Amino acid sequence: QSALTQPRSVSGSPGQSVTISCTGTSSDVGGYNYVSWYQQHPGKAPKLMIYDVSKRPSGVPDRFSGSKSGNTASLTISGLQAEDEADYYCCSYAGSSPYVFGTGTKVTVL
Amino acid sequence: QVQLQESGPGLVKPSETLSLTCTVSGGSISSYYWSWIRQPAGKGLEWIGRIYTSGSTNYNPSLKSRVTMSVDTSKNQFSLKLSSVTAADTAVYYCARDRRWLFDYWGQGTLVTVSS
Repeated sequence: QSALTQPRSVSGSPGQSVTISCTGTSSDVGGYNYVSWYQQHPGKAPKLMIYDVSKRPSGVPDRFSGSKSGNTASLTISGLQAEDEADYYCCSYAGSSPYVFGTGTKVTVL
Repeated sequence: QVQLQESGPGLVKPSETLSLTCTVSGGSISSYYWSWIRQPAGKGLEWIGRIYTSGSTNYNPSLKSRVTMSVDTSKNQFSLKLSSVTAADTAVYYCARDRRWLFDYWGQGTLVTVSS
């Protein structure tokens, strides 16, 4: 069970959009519509931002959206804001195990 | 509002057993799955395992031989034991509510250092 692959970092200016990819296999990301995304600020616990590939929990701004194509899921942040600067992790259901996390992506707001 | 709080020793000697407890408040522990997740300093998240309130468990295959989880519904608590620890087990340990297949509530995390 290997970690899902994410880019180490992405960056954008305020107001721009950034997209984070999360690549797995047909045994995890590609096999199920159970991908979630978590935002983590330094020294804080992760916070659920997206679940079931594209659903947003109550209270999460609609600037955050999720999608999936094949074995790759994506998180898009539109209208980037300073408070969006954080680490982001994807997580997928992986069958009997049943969870695997991504390697994490640092989002920098320029 | 559901809240989770990890507790346990912050320092464990190599080869000994790490023991942590997560106390759930603001809601019942019953009828949910509860997970443990850890994060070494500067690194990513690793799912350790989960337990249902019936006592049924699932563990990460890479840790399965060393992990034991238990639940005490009367105290609204669940626990983690990780045996034969090494420096590689030094991490912040989080407990979280597991709602198949997402983690919606997290504890603040507790740092456990493995050192003699």
